[in-house]
Amino acid sequence: AQKVTQAQTEISVVEKEDVTLDCVYETRDTTYYLFWYKQPPSGELVFLIRRNSFDEQNEISGRYSWNFQKSTSSFNFTITASQVVDSAVYFCALSEAGGYNKLIFGAGTRLAVHP
Amino acid sequence: DVKVTQSSRYLVKRTGEKVFLECVQDMDHENMFWYRQDPGLGLRLIYFSYDVKMKEKGDIPEGYSVSREKKERFSLILESASTNQTSMYLCASSLGDTISYEQYFGPGTRLTVT
Repeated sequence: AQKVTQAQTEISVVEKEDVTLDCVYETRDTTYYLFWYKQPPSGELVFLIRRNSFDEQNEISGRYSWNFQKSTSSFNFTITASQVVDSAVYFCALSEAGGYNKLIFGAGTRLAVHP
Repeated sequence: DVKVTQSSRYLVKRTGEKVFLECVQDMDHENMFWYRQDPGLGLRLIYFSYDVKMKEKGDIPEGYSVSREKKERFSLILESASTNQTSMYLCASSLGDTISYEQYFGPGTRLTVT
């Protein structure tokens, strides 16, 4: 069965600290996609990144970076020099087999960045 | 930019009422989804639709129905609202059935059933 686990329920850091959000997934598919979404207090989920199962290159976008490791079935997200605006709930998601573009979401990690 | 709108941000209904949640997307997306979000459970799929008048059950369809009469509009219906349906409801849409497409989300409707 496909599953996404985000073991960290809540993380609290002080501004400028680095923080890593963990995501572990389970799937039997050889072709799949992984996603990260951000949900700020306004409520709307915002797409951050997509990664396919054949591309294990790490990705960096400004202060955000993602580490995809198939060997450990993990797709972790690091924020460098965190800022108060990074405070949000972050969701990791896995594309579900069978088409229709369905996603399986983890439970989410609430990140609080304090000044 | 893709825009997904939901009819209400906050809604308070009484037990037993019929409740309609409306979602509209403006990018001609084929797929539309309804989720509920509860603390510690993430997003759970209620129903989705891959074409007009087509619908499929998600993981938690009990107590809900949906309607998609036009491509841009996807409605979630609570036939007889119950207190355990108090939740945040999120609508999303995506371009097609390829697994690489991201979903675009609306702002959510926080429903309270008293």
